[in-house]
Amino acid sequence: SQQGEEDPQALSIQEGENATMNCSYKTSINNLQWYRQNSGRGLVHLILIRSNEREKHSGRLRVTLDTSKKSSSLLITASRAADTASYFCATDDSNYQLIWGAGTKLIIKP
Amino acid sequence: DVKVTQSSRYLVKRTGEKVFLECVQDMDHENMFWYRQDPGLGLRLIYFSYDVKMKEKGDIPEGYSVSREKKERFSLILESASTNQTSMYLCASSLGQKQFFGPGTRLTVL
Repeated sequence: SQQGEEDPQALSIQEGENATMNCSYKTSINNLQWYRQNSGRGLVHLILIRSNEREKHSGRLRVTLDTSKKSSSLLITASRAADTASYFCATDDSNYQLIWGAGTKLIIKP
Repeated sequence: DVKVTQSSRYLVKRTGEKVFLECVQDMDHENMFWYRQDPGLGLRLIYFSYDVKMKEKGDIPEGYSVSREKKERFSLILESASTNQTSMYLCASSLGQKQFFGPGTRLTVL
């Protein structure tokens, strides 16, 4: 089942600009995670935010969570060419499973 | 660092063949997962395992089976490959909610 829905589906920005991606979900959650996938590769965990947290930072990444709107955003500041990738949000379903969105494809133009 | 390896990066098989995809993790994680990833559909869970010899169906188990004889190894089996099983297959293991992915196997069924 697909719960998370990322927006936009694709985003193209100039290097140095900030990139913002959004994720909406349908049911209540314990936590929400963001992952990055470089082309044709596996996914890499970026950040996890718990349902009782509103904002979290990790380096150039900032994640917000609004449980009342069932949405989260991922902000990448001062984007670099190496940030070109697809970004996925995932919410927890039960003990072990995650529910994934379809992803946002981010392209950083030099 | 956690390492998850998959037996092949690229695989080409013929319709009706039995296909084995293997995944090995080196961090003693109890939970392991098999996903398939198709454009626009995100990650869909095929099967997961929360212990040796234990398995649970995910969202799309039809046409697949799994084997977990040892904690570090989780195998996905396509009993009789069909063209609609052409996809990227991703294996993951988890510690808590955070999942660690292998590089993926791109399977083409002709």
